[in-house]
Amino acid sequence: EVQLLESGGGLVVPGGSLRLSCAASGFTFDDHAMSWVRQAPGKGLEWVSTISSSGGSPYYADSVKGRVTISRDNSRNTVYLQMHSLTGGDTAVYFCVKGEHSSGWASVFDHWGQGSLVAVSS
Amino acid sequence: EIVLTQSPGALSLSPGERATLSCRASQTVGSYLAWFQQRPGQAPRLLIYAASRRATGIPDRFSGSGSGTDFTLTISRLEAEDFAVYYCQQYDGSPEKVTFGQGTKLEIK
Repeated sequence: EVQLLESGGGLVVPGGSLRLSCAASGFTFDDHAMSWVRQAPGKGLEWVSTISSSGGSPYYADSVKGRVTISRDNSRNTVYLQMHSLTGGDTAVYFCVKGEHSSGWASVFDHWGQGSLVAVSS
Repeated sequence: EIVLTQSPGALSLSPGERATLSCRASQTVGSYLAWFQQRPGQAPRLLIYAASRRATGIPDRFSGSGSGTDFTLTISRLEAEDFAVYYCQQYDGSPEKVTFGQGTKLEIK
């Protein structure tokens, strides 16, 4: 059974930083691209970032580009999202998502974690 | 950016009825269209991918159709557990081009 367990969320002040982690199990981790998708309170879904199976190709939404870094450790079956210069607009539940393919291109988001809440407030 | 417009925004039906949800893309996405269900307090769950293929474990009362710019999710006979928010998503090409619709809330009448 595929399991994705996010951690690292919490309350952070504006301008602060946070690193989310997602521990994966139940599938061959280094065969699949991984993504982060967020959902602001009461709002819809927004793609944030994707990383290919090898870690060599990261992709970012314009809304976070330059402030966020996605990475992965295939030896630990874990994907990370490092976020800097956080604002209230970043307040959301962040979901870790498994991709269907290794590259992330034209790849279905086939399994989702339960999410980790990031709240940016003073 | 490819904009996905879902209609209606909300739909009120009774258990046992048929639900038809629409998703229209601002430009063609071929068949690179998925549907997700999200119940309150839960993560989204993949229902349909490649416009019409059911994901593993999804009941056959869920079906998807369409290609190009117009897509439909049909739930043939609503059960209590089906009342949720449904999102469409296109994934045609680069991950940077992925977009979601705004969602349709399916409510119990």
